[in-house]
Amino acid sequence: DQQVKQNSPSLSVQEGRISILNCDYTNSMFDYFLWYKKYPAEGPTFLISISSIKDKNEDGRFTVFLNKSAKHLSLHIVPSQPGDSAVYFCAAGGFDSGGSNYKLTFGKGTLLTVNP
Amino acid sequence: DTAVSQTPKYLVTQMGNDKSIKCEQNLGHDTMYWYKQDSKKFLKIMFSYNNKELIINETVPNRFSPKSPDKAHLNLHINSLELGDSAVYFCASSQGFGQETQYFGPGTRLLVL
Repeated sequence: DQQVKQNSPSLSVQEGRISILNCDYTNSMFDYFLWYKKYPAEGPTFLISISSIKDKNEDGRFTVFLNKSAKHLSLHIVPSQPGDSAVYFCAAGGFDSGGSNYKLTFGKGTLLTVNP
Repeated sequence: DTAVSQTPKYLVTQMGNDKSIKCEQNLGHDTMYWYKQDSKKFLKIMFSYNNKELIINETVPNRFSPKSPDKAHLNLHINSLELGDSAVYFCASSQGFGQETQYFGPGTRLLVL
């Protein structure tokens, strides 16, 4: 039961253009959302987050948009750079069904390739 | 300075063996985690410790036993290794529990033959 879905396994964009990575979730109890970037043979690195009370958070070239009614979030990278080429994981935080444990649920990731 | 470190980085072993993976964080965080990334690439929580106490224990075989000697360390011991245990294991830490950013280690690539 995939509660966090990244339906595009890969995305290729030209340097300087915008990259848009998408993520859908099913659990309306999620209240915190994060994007992580992962290079090969390394651990995921935190990129940007957003609380469910907001609909946008911006940090430099990275902006995360949250549409709660659609249960959808997206990560915009502009302008894209070759160094942005990595796997991007979407994660959602919330309490489990018992209400006592808060945990992150991850998507499968999207491989972004930025071509020079 | 490495914030979250894991040893070893690679581990190749035979079925039935017992092995341990160590994790240390120097961020002063109270909460530490173990995740497993399987062949389907999903990152799934296995355990979480807060101030050395176990707070999350997902449905993980009891061959897996985490141990937290202090707040900065969370080790994972695996008994009687099976082929299906082959995966990448990530340690992570966060300041507290709840809406806190988790910081990950580089991962331990375990291959069971």
